[in-house]
Amino acid sequence: DTGVSQNPRHKITKRGQNVTFRCDPISEHNRLYWYRQTLGQGPEFLTYFQNEAQLEKSRLLSDRFSAERPKGSFSTLEIQRTEQGDSAMYLCASSLVTGYTSTNEKLFFGSGTQLSVL
Amino acid sequence: AQSVTQLGSHVSVSEGALVLLRCNYSSSVPPYLFWYVQYPNQGLQLLLKYTSAATLVKGINGFEAEFKKSETSFHLTKPSAHMSDAAEYFCAVTAVTGGGNKLTFGTGTQLKVEL
Repeated sequence: DTGVSQNPRHKITKRGQNVTFRCDPISEHNRLYWYRQTLGQGPEFLTYFQNEAQLEKSRLLSDRFSAERPKGSFSTLEIQRTEQGDSAMYLCASSLVTGYTSTNEKLFFGSGTQLSVL
Repeated sequence: AQSVTQLGSHVSVSEGALVLLRCNYSSSVPPYLFWYVQYPNQGLQLLLKYTSAATLVKGINGFEAEFKKSETSFHLTKPSAHMSDAAEYFCAVTAVTGGGNKLTFGTGTQLKVEL
């Protein structure tokens, strides 16, 4: 168990540029979540995957955001045409769930990718 | 809809003193409640969770929390603070009815432990 890995740790970009973040979950974890945390706030749910299927997206996830999880392993989160309001910490979490309900699900969080849009 | 409110964005205690971090929740369905800790430059780590079993939940590092339905509270306590407890603490709620575990977090409480 090497933990959830996120890359890069920090990303500085200019407004209007596209950025992509990567999350490597714990091996064999079938669920993967993306959260966003802005300064002074708690994390907010963005989207999650069960294996390769994206099962839910928050209304926070505008059309400029897209997430993928090909082959049910690592995931990428892309933001197109970045805006200053996108500046935040983007957190990834993974879990192993057996069955349909999530009663005993435990999320393991990565250290996040800090995005700064200038 | 669900939400949590954490009272006090900053709490300061002396080493060895009682730690009390407050969390009140709002939920239209029976909630599952969590406390997470975040150390600088690290990911969120689960301290403890309430999932409708015992109302007094014990977690890691000597922390515990009590679910009080009548008060809609889930306060986090530790009898004796240690310097290593200094971190940011988040309360979170979810309604686990199937599907994803979509947590709704509070705004966090920064705990400072002084000598």
